Amino acid sequence: QVQLQESGPGLVKASQTLSLTCDVSGGSISGGGTYYWSWIRQPAGKGLEWIGRIYKSGSTNYNPSLKSRVTISVDTSKNQLSLKLNSVTAADTAVYYCARVFGIETAINWFDSWGQGTLVTVSS
Amino acid sequence: DIQMTQSPSSLSASVGDRVAITCRASQNINTFLNWYQQKPGKAPKVLIYAANSLERGVPSRFSGSGSGTDFTLTINSLQPEDSATYYCQQTYSAFIAFGQGTRLE
Repeated sequence: QVQLQESGPGLVKASQTLSLTCDVSGGSISGGGTYYWSWIRQPAGKGLEWIGRIYKSGSTNYNPSLKSRVTISVDTSKNQLSLKLNSVTAADTAVYYCARVFGIETAINWFDSWGQGTLVTVSS
Repeated sequence: DIQMTQSPSSLSASVGDRVAITCRASQNINTFLNWYQQKPGKAPKVLIYAANSLERGVPSRFSGSGSGTDFTLTINSLQPEDSATYYCQQTYSAFIAFGQGTRLE
C-alpha cells in the first residue's frame, strides 16, 4: 500500500514562496499503473480545494484560481512530489495534502491515497 | 467551471437512522462523481466512486446513486463512527471541484 508524507516549513511570510514536498513510499511515483498525483488544501474549518495534478508524463493541470502562482513537479530519483506556491497571502493558510489519484478511465478516477496533511501558516 | 452544491450543510441523526446527503452539479457530469468521508484531523477517505461504486473495504451501509446533475449518498443503519464531514467531488471536468461538505453528527 502506497504511503505519502508531506513536509516543509510550517510558517511562511507573506509575499514569499511556499514550498512543500511529499515523499512517496511503498511504490514508485512513476511506475506502472493508472495513477497520477495531486495537491489539495483545506483552510481551517473549511472545505477542500483542489490545487492541481501532475501526470507521469510530467504534464500538469492547475486550479484556474491558483494557476499563475503554482508549480507542481516530480523528482523520480527521490520518489518525491513537490508543490511551490509563490506570492502567498494569509488566504493561503491551510492544511496541504498530497494525494494519489487512481483512475480506470479518463474521467473515472478518485483520490485513493492521501498524506496526513501539513499545516502551513502565512504570517505578515 | 463546474460548481458542486451539497445539502444539507449539517445534520444530526441517531444510531440506526438512515440518512441521505445530496450533491448537485451546475451542469451534467454523467456519473463522474465521488464521495469522501473526513474525520477531524484526518485526511479524507473515498467511500464511493463513479456515483455508485463502493470502494473496497467500505461498509455496505454506504451507497451512492444519481447521474447527470443530482446525486445522493445514503447511509443505512447509522453507526457512531459515521460522525464525520462528507464531500462530493466531480471528475467530469479536468478541473476538480468539491462540494462544500456536509457535517453529520
